[in-house]
Amino acid sequence: QVQLQESGPGLVKPSETLSLTCAVSGGSFIHYQWAWIRQPPGKGLELIGYIYSSGITVYNPSLKSRLTISVDTSKDQFSLNLRSVVAADTAVYYCARVRVGGFSYLWFDPWGQGMLVTVSS
Amino acid sequence: DVQMTQSPSSLSASVGDRVTLTCRASQSITIYLNWYQQRPGKAPKLLLYGASTLEGGVPSRFSGAGSGTDFTLTIASLQPEDFATYYCQQSALAPYTFGQGTRLDIK
Repeated sequence: QVQLQESGPGLVKPSETLSLTCAVSGGSFIHYQWAWIRQPPGKGLELIGYIYSSGITVYNPSLKSRLTISVDTSKDQFSLNLRSVVAADTAVYYCARVRVGGFSYLWFDPWGQGMLVTVSS
Repeated sequence: DVQMTQSPSSLSASVGDRVTLTCRASQSITIYLNWYQQRPGKAPKLLLYGASTLEGGVPSRFSGAGSGTDFTLTIASLQPEDFATYYCQQSALAPYTFGQGTRLDIK
């Protein structure tokens, strides 16, 4: 059964870069797409973007100018870099597998446990 | 972006009750609608996809319906483990967006 685990610093200073990695185990990596989703404290969910194992990325336009998602198929992991962070980027960051079912069927399953990243000086 | 609006924002119910949660899209998303359950402090878990298809291992008391802009998630007989927050998510149009959630509390 596939499992995902986020890792990285839990505290980032304003204007710096938030960097997280998601390690995938227990299943095929190259046959899926992989997503980052975030949830500010007490609020709803926002798709940050996702990446194919080939490296093709799909970003949320609201974050695109600050965002890089990359993949390392040799390690079965993918990463998130969000530049020039502000307090509003404080959130629990989840990684998730993207499942597709043809046409526009697309959903996220399973998810990592999530990691709180706080932006503060 | 497609705006997803869930109602009510919170709901109190008792074990054994039948409850229906609603999700409305700002434009037609045909049946490209998924539902997730999030328990406190945990990651979301997929319940249904394609508006009405139950994910494997999800109890049959959960069901989904709807198409176009209006969707429902029904829990036929609430169990203690069902008290959680429920989110809808559309995949018809990028960027794929979530509703703000419906929190289901024990009465």
